[in-house]
Parts: sequence; structure tokens; C-alpha cells
Amino acid sequence: DVKVTQSSRYLVKRTGEKVFLECVQDMDHENMFWYRQDPGLGLRLIYFSYDVKMKEKGDIPEGYSVSREKKERFSLILESASTNQTSMYLCASSLLGAGGPRETQYFGPGTRLLVL
Amino acid sequence: GDSVTQMEGPVTLSEEAFLTINCTYTATGYPSLFWYVQYPGEGLQLLLKATKADDKGSNKGFEATYRKETTSFHLEKGSVQVSDSAVYFCALSTDRGSTLGRLYFGRGTQLTVWP
Repeated sequence: DVKVTQSSRYLVKRTGEKVFLECVQDMDHENMFWYRQDPGLGLRLIYFSYDVKMKEKGDIPEGYSVSREKKERFSLILESASTNQTSMYLCASSLLGAGGPRETQYFGPGTRLLVL
Repeated sequence: GDSVTQMEGPVTLSEEAFLTINCTYTATGYPSLFWYVQYPGEGLQLLLKATKADDKGSNKGFEATYRKETTSFHLEKGSVQVSDSAVYFCALSTDRGSTLGRLYFGRGTQLTVWP
């Protein structure tokens, strides 16, 4: 089974802190994604990556950065946390492969971040 | 641009009732369509998918048919159970350009099933 793990289930940080959210997948997937989930807004894509050291902006990249130094690991960084970044953060991965758009994304359990 | 619109919730049903959650999409090209489910306290997991027009995805008693003529992918189940209580997300995946493979999600529909 594909496994996507996230470093923390719950996290409490203070405004202005630098926050690192880590995601690791064990299925050698090329694609990795970071979403945030807010009530009534569904899932919104923050950043994604198709390969090591490669990144693409999603729909809401402001206030975030990412790092992909190894294929299995994709980190989301909040450079200076703000209260409006309080949210559920979900990581996902998928094969690039010949399946292209048909490939399933596999999700981690999520990190619920509270910024005070 | 590519987008998904799904029925607003919450939806509340009694056990064994029939379920429909509507989903329509806008996309260029030939997207793949997905339903994901999120149980309380968990991440999303794939429920079913369809990759071309007229395909039917099915899993755990749920079904959805990819209708290109109506740009729809409605989720149905004939008899819901309490254990089906969850949030359901419709999504599409593009087949072209620099966004190949990314998912566009609907806002989610909360389903609660009472015994």
C-alpha cells in the first residue's frame, strides 16, 4: 500500500514563527502536492512538484515556500506564520507515468496547524 | 479554466436511503474525474474514478458515470449506511499543459447518515 506520512497531526505556533511541515511518501512517486483545506472552500493547491528540486506554484502560494531535495520528501515552509494560515494542510503524491491525468493521488492524514 | 462545482451540503439521510451528490465540471480537453472521501480525522482517499466519457466508476456500492454531454459526474448509492458518513469531494485532473495531473476539487459535501 502507498503510504504518505506527515510529520505532525497537530501543531501550534506563534505569529511570526517559521514553520516547517514535512511530507514523506514511500512509493517512489514523482509528483507531490501541498493543499490547504478550509471549511466551505474545499482543497486549494499551494505548491506542487514533478521532480527533485522542481516546484510549481498552485493557486495560493503567497506566504509559503517549498523544498524538494529528495524524491520521497516534500516540505512546506511558512516563512513567517500568520493567523490566516491556521488551517488543515494535506500532502499528496502520485505517479507521473504514462497514466498522466488518470493517476490517483494518495493523501497523508493531514496536519492541523493553529497560529496564535 | 478548469473547475468543479458540486452540490452544497450538508446532506442528512436515514440509513438505507438513496444518495445522490451532484457534480458538474468545466474543462478543456479530456479530463479524468474522481470522487474522493474524507472520513472524520483522516486524509482523503480515492473512492472511485472514470477516465473517459461513458465510463462508470464504482466502489463500496457507490457509482458515478462520466457524462461528457452534460459535463457531469454525479455520485450515487442505493442504500447508505451510518459508516458512509464523511465528506465527499468531486475532482478533475487535466490532460494537458504544465498542469498535467493536478487535481481541481469541488468544495466538498458533508454527508451524515442517521441510524
